Parts: sequence; structure tokens; C-alpha cells
Amino acid sequence: GNSVTQMEGPVTLSEEAFLTINCTYTATGYPSLFWYVQYPGEGLQLLLKATKADDKGSNKGFEATYRKETTSFHLEKGSVQVSDSAVYFCALSGWDSSASKIIFGSGTRLSIRP
Amino acid sequence: DGGITQSPKYLFRKEGQNVTLSCEQNLNHDAMYWYRQDPGQGLRLIYYSQIVNDFQKGDIAEGYSVSREKKESFPLTVTSAQKNPTAFYLCASSRGQGKTGELFFGEGSRLTVL
Repeated sequence: GNSVTQMEGPVTLSEEAFLTINCTYTATGYPSLFWYVQYPGEGLQLLLKATKADDKGSNKGFEATYRKETTSFHLEKGSVQVSDSAVYFCALSGWDSSASKIIFGSGTRLSIRP
Repeated sequence: DGGITQSPKYLFRKEGQNVTLSCEQNLNHDAMYWYRQDPGQGLRLIYYSQIVNDFQKGDIAEGYSVSREKKESFPLTVTSAQKNPTAFYLCASSRGQGKTGELFFGEGSRLTVL
């Protein structure tokens, strides 16, 4: 079945540092890939998405590129801020009959020091 | 405003009691989902529904039940058969039908078994 693997946290960085959170997936065909963010005490919200190979999703300075050859969708940001402190989830939606069954990774907690 | 409303936000239950968590959406979405979130384990899919009067088990459906009698409502019952029900429960919806896009989440319900 489909699955998503994320780098384990927590990740602690200083403000303005470069961020990478790794995400790899296992799926047949052409899944859609997502990054969601969860701020303290809240539900999740979509950060960015990519629906086909080589697509780059971007939002709020975050980027991720859908790499089919390496089955990866790593999240990056060039200069993080304290307000980026949150839990980040990589997710996958299958392209076939599993399209409605969205699978999440285990989440990576990010803390940014001022 | 359009969105997803979960209630109650906090709930305490004695062992052996069933409890029902409410989830209502006014986004006119076809698909609705229930996820369970535990520390360090990310989100795990309990049940999902792609259309009214139909639903499918997710990865951890044992000890839970759902109904989908109306498009806008997808209540989750945590039964006494669920061995470890203390968790944060998240409801979500999406347009569904085929290649699934963005999930919209409620703010969650935190269930504590005393």
C-alpha cells in the first residue's frame, strides 16, 4: 500500500537558517503530494502541493519539488522565522481507487530560536 | 464563513462509556475523514466517506463507528471497545471524487479517558 516517511524531529534551528525536512513516499502510479502545517493547538492546514512529477509547490517561502525518480518531496525554506515553529506533515493521495485515502507521515516538529 | 466545525473541543470519558464526536462542514464537500493524532505517530486514518450513506474503514477503524446520513455531517463514535481512546481527533473534508485535492481540517477534539 501507499506510505510516507518523514525525517524524525524535533528539528531546532536559529532564525534565518536554511531548512530542509525530508519526505519520501511509496506509491504506485502518480500520486499527488502535499505538505501540511499544524500550529500549536490548531488543526492542519495545507502549506503546498504538487500533483505531477517535476512540479514545484511553493507558499510562504517554503518550496518542495515532486521527484519521481527519487520518490521524494523534501520541504525547504531559505530563511526560517520564529513564526515557522510548528509541526509539518508530508502527505500523499493515490491516483487510482486510493485517491480518497490520504496518507500522512508521522510529522516533524520544528522549533526556531530567535 | 465556510469551514469545518468539530465539537466538543475537549471531552472527558469514563472507561466503558461510548462517546460521539461531532463534525459538520458547510463547504459542500463530498468526502469527509476522521484521523487520530498521537504524539510521535502523526495522523492515522480511522474512517472516510466519499459520498452520503457510504463510508470505508481506514487503518485503525477497530473500536470506532461512523455514519454519513447527511452530506454535511460525519459523526464519529468512540466505543468502549477502543482500548486506548485518549487522543486528539481531527475531522477533515475535501471535494473528493477522483484525484483528491486539499483537505480542510477542523480544529480537533481532544478526548481523555479517566
